Amino acid sequence: DTAVSQTPKYLVTQMGNDKSIKCEQNLGHDTMYWYKQDSKKFLKIMFSYNNKELIINETVPNRFSPKSPDKAHLNLHINSLELGDSAVYFCASSQGSQWPQHFGDGTRLSIL
Amino acid sequence: AQSVTQLDSQVPVFEEAPVELRCNYSSSVSVYLFWYVQYPNQGLQLLLKYLSGSTLVKGINGFEAEFNKSQTSFHLRKPSVHISDTAEYFCAVSEGSSNTGKLIFGQGTTLQVKP
Repeated sequence: DTAVSQTPKYLVTQMGNDKSIKCEQNLGHDTMYWYKQDSKKFLKIMFSYNNKELIINETVPNRFSPKSPDKAHLNLHINSLELGDSAVYFCASSQGSQWPQHFGDGTRLSIL
Repeated sequence: AQSVTQLDSQVPVFEEAPVELRCNYSSSVSVYLFWYVQYPNQGLQLLLKYLSGSTLVKGINGFEAEFNKSQTSFHLRKPSVHISDTAEYFCAVSEGSSNTGKLIFGQGTTLQVKP
């Protein structure tokens, strides 16, 4: 069984469009995260939710909005996509702040 | 503010040779330290972690790391590598007293194991 699953795996779209990436974890974890990995493979945290409450909101454009309908899901909605949004987006979850994070396989977003 | 530096962007090594991937961190508070591995087109997988206690930490796939507080280092080692170890390796740190779990990653080291 997949622990942290993201959909879609690939997303190709045009500049200006709005898109969503979904993430679900079946580990029973309380905390979920979104990371962005750029073309140089650098990973940076974007958001974190604990029991549906936002606890980390890094310097991310307002076009990015996370939504957590329940503690097993953390979706990422992106408005007005720009070329610089092209990256791999990873969802992760953990039991708590001290515990290791489990990562999904990533969503590769390509903006044309 | 915390930061992580992985001193080598690429490490080529022959199969069955030992390898060390270097990681230094900067923090004014106590930290938790992690090594993750990323195989092509996959997510990150935890290799090992240091939270407290023994400074020598053993992980999966024969890897180990040593926490050195005085040198603020957490180098990853394996005595004999396999072709299958070819991947990207990330060192990461989180603040020990924080309740956010925020991970700060290094730039990554590409381990290239040659036959």
